[in-house]
Amino acid sequence: QKEVEQDPGPLSVPEGAIVSLNCTYSNSAFQYFMWYRQYSRKGPELLMYTYSSGNKEDGRFTAQVDKSSKYISLFIRDSQPSDSATYLCAMSRRTGTASKLTFGTGTRLQVTL
Amino acid sequence: SAVISQKPSRDICQRGTSLTIQCQVDSQVTMMFWYRQQPGQSLTLIATANQGSEATYESGFVIDKFPISRPNLTFSTLTVSNMSPEDSSIYLCSVSIQGRSYEQYFGPGTRLTVT
Repeated sequence: QKEVEQDPGPLSVPEGAIVSLNCTYSNSAFQYFMWYRQYSRKGPELLMYTYSSGNKEDGRFTAQVDKSSKYISLFIRDSQPSDSATYLCAMSRRTGTASKLTFGTGTRLQVTL
Repeated sequence: SAVISQKPSRDICQRGTSLTIQCQVDSQVTMMFWYRQQPGQSLTLIATANQGSEATYESGFVIDKFPISRPNLTFSTLTVSNMSPEDSSIYLCSVSIQGRSYEQYFGPGTRLTVT
């Protein structure tokens, strides 16, 4: 079983829709939860990070963590064609001076006009 | 954040040869990491590049195959040695900022094809 599971999609939604992207994980030691966005032929770009459980909002993006269920979500409101990308969840636990990230496989999102 | 560049952006190499990938950061950073991204798979950490000491490799990756250098706080190289078609992948370097090692910033990647 992978430590982090993420539906690869693709997920296709019309412009303006609310998008929900999700990951589940098995390791309760994870404390930091990140969402990265990766455009085609580019490196991943950090979107948001959350420590422990709860919600965090940044503009049209909301990250949600439920540690009791080992489930994290990213919501995108009023989705735009420019949101079309692959979204990767990532998690880390403190390991000495470096916190290694464990990634999901990514969900490919397509926002259509 | 940090601005990260990688060279080359892509290359096509023959089986049995080696390729060195460079990663340059615009500011001094504590940690630098090297990842591999294969189609349909998660980003996989190859190693952590430590300045002034040997790199720390993850399970399944060895120094003879992926030697890494980190001569200063802004630069690192990853060499893919004795390549085979299975090494075809995107290789990415990332950095973390002092005190926030859970946040990482990625370079654009090097797309390697081995024939």
